[in-house]
Amino acid sequence: AQSVTQLGSHVSVSEGALVLLRCNYSSSVPPYLFWYVQYPNQGLQLLLKYTSAATLVKGINGFEAEFKKSETSFHLTKPSAHMSDAAEYFCAVSEGRNTGKLIFGQGTTLQVKP
Amino acid sequence: GAVVSQHPSRVICKSGTSVKIECRSLDFQATTMFWYRQFPKQSLMLMATSNEGSKATYEQGVEKDKFLINHASLTLSTLTVTSAHPEDSSFYICSVALGPVDTQYFGPGTRLTVL
Repeated sequence: AQSVTQLGSHVSVSEGALVLLRCNYSSSVPPYLFWYVQYPNQGLQLLLKYTSAATLVKGINGFEAEFKKSETSFHLTKPSAHMSDAAEYFCAVSEGRNTGKLIFGQGTTLQVKP
Repeated sequence: GAVVSQHPSRVICKSGTSVKIECRSLDFQATTMFWYRQFPKQSLMLMATSNEGSKATYEQGVEKDKFLINHASLTLSTLTVTSAHPEDSSFYICSVALGPVDTQYFGPGTRLTVL
């Protein structure tokens, strides 16, 4: 079965600093991968997704993620953090290419300090 | 992305009562809808997948008689928590997709508190 591991349940950065949120998946077959953001008491918003096209995926709000098959990783980055980026971030993997079932990581809380 | 609404956004009910949560896809016809629950400070756990006009497929460990799902149209799915208990208190989130393997768009969630 697929699984997703997000390293670091809480990440704190200063405004303007690099944001790096880590995600590793377990799969022998390249899956579909997603990053979602959740603001307090709201649902999830899709940031970006990887579906086997370009390995570097650009998303909304200046975020991007790179699919590295050799490392089974899909880390999320943003060059310069903004206060509005403070939220919960979830990495997710599709259970298979023929199913929409998503397996979510545990989530990483991003804190942005002024 | 798609616009998804959920109603109510918050609900408090007494133990033993039933609660219905609606999920609406406002700008496209969603063949597939998913229901998740999220406990505080935890990730989302898929409860069930529903396809319009078909019976929902429940994940292992989810009681189908307790969490009734109806997907009667391409824009509406409902989740009814029957005979609710305090341990059912959670954040329930739906998502919609054009088809079973398409990108999911999530609703804002419904916070259920059972007293």
